[in-house]
Amino acid sequence: GAVVSQHPSWVICKSGTSVKIECRSLDFQATTMFWYRQFPKQSLMLMATSNEGSKATYEQGVEKDKFLINHASLTLSTLTVTSAHPEDSSFYICSARERAKSEYQPQHFGDGTRLSIL
Amino acid sequence: QKEVEQNSGPLSVPEGAIASLNCTYSDRVSQSFFWYRQYSGKSPELIMSIYSNGDKEDGRFTAQLNKASQYVSLLIRDSQPSDSATYLCAVSGGYQKVTFGTGTKLQVIP
Repeated sequence: GAVVSQHPSWVICKSGTSVKIECRSLDFQATTMFWYRQFPKQSLMLMATSNEGSKATYEQGVEKDKFLINHASLTLSTLTVTSAHPEDSSFYICSARERAKSEYQPQHFGDGTRLSIL
Repeated sequence: QKEVEQNSGPLSVPEGAIASLNCTYSDRVSQSFFWYRQYSGKSPELIMSIYSNGDKEDGRFTAQLNKASQYVSLLIRDSQPSDSATYLCAVSGGYQKVTFGTGTKLQVIP
């Protein structure tokens, strides 16, 4: 149980392109989803928290106009990297927290999306 | 002070030994504690959850929690080379977001 699907796994595109990454909870409802970025040999960095039906909460230093997050349903959140540049190349990982049976719910991670901007 | 602290390592142990990974946290109201394993180039994978003081065992893994000392640990018995990964400690105060440590890199030497 608690499977999170993330798509695509790899993206290679030209500078200036916008890229959309999807995160789906396959067997549970997720009121909250999280988006992380991880550079090589560095730790996870939380970018934003996405709540179903409301605006995402961005961490300090993350440009909300550059990283657009939409959480349209209890099973789907999307991250769009707008006008991507080489410095946006990174490993993007989503996670989802099950709609709480109790508050003691872990986060379950998708497999991540490796984004390379040429 | 970081909210969740881990020694970055690397922690090197010989195959078959016990690996001991430690984590301290600053928020006394934390209720939920998790250990994730992350292989290089992969996303984190949940391996243990613990919510009350004491030990919780699952196969070769034992999580230990001491809320008074604000300390949580993970023991890996009979360590295998396949256990070589970065282990992330995560802490939550309930419905709030889970806060991750920076991870401890474990190397199991054949």
